[in-house]
Amino acid sequence: QKEVEQNSGPLSVPEGAIASLNCTYSDRGSQSFFWYRQYSGKSPELIMFIYSNGDKEDGRFTAQLNKASQYVSLLIRDSQPSDSATYLCASDSGGGNKLTFGTGTQLKVEL
Amino acid sequence: SAVISQKPSRDICQRGTSLTIQCQVDSQVTMMFWYRQQPGQSLTLIATANQGSEATYESGFVIDKFPISRPNLTFSTLTVSNMSPEDSSIYLCSVGQGIFETQYFGPGTRLLVL
Repeated sequence: QKEVEQNSGPLSVPEGAIASLNCTYSDRGSQSFFWYRQYSGKSPELIMFIYSNGDKEDGRFTAQLNKASQYVSLLIRDSQPSDSATYLCASDSGGGNKLTFGTGTQLKVEL
Repeated sequence: SAVISQKPSRDICQRGTSLTIQCQVDSQVTMMFWYRQQPGQSLTLIATANQGSEATYESGFVIDKFPISRPNLTFSTLTVSNMSPEDSSIYLCSVGQGIFETQYFGPGTRLLVL
């Protein structure tokens, strides 16, 4: 079974710190990886996607992909209380443009 | 990204009844999907809604329980049939856009079955 795994957390970081969220995947055929943010009671919101090994930066967010290790991460710099949410990692392992989601990591940014 | 709306936003239903959820997109899209998110859980894909043909269901989901229509490239419906309390969940539609068919989600329908 093709899986995407995340630590459920909660991950607590102080305001202004770097939050590091991690994700592993089992399907070596996966090409694209996505990070979504989901606030309580809301639907998932795309943060960014990555498909090449290395880093991809967008504002305070950096996605990192290591296909050899089957590992994806999301770094959030200068974490703010508004970043407190559940972060979902997804891969295209389902084929046909389908996504397989991890269970999500709850992030808490504390004042 | 496309603007996606869902109706109803929430509902409370009696067991044994059916509910049809609508998903409307403000632009034509090829790929539309329906997901379920049970309380405290992640997203599980129910089916891919195909325009002009039957939906493609994932393992564990069947057409009799979750019939789907996709009459055109901007609209789809998901029906939850013969509901039981176990069907209480958030139902989300998503659309694929861009080179990688990146998925964007609608606001969701929160269903409680009593």
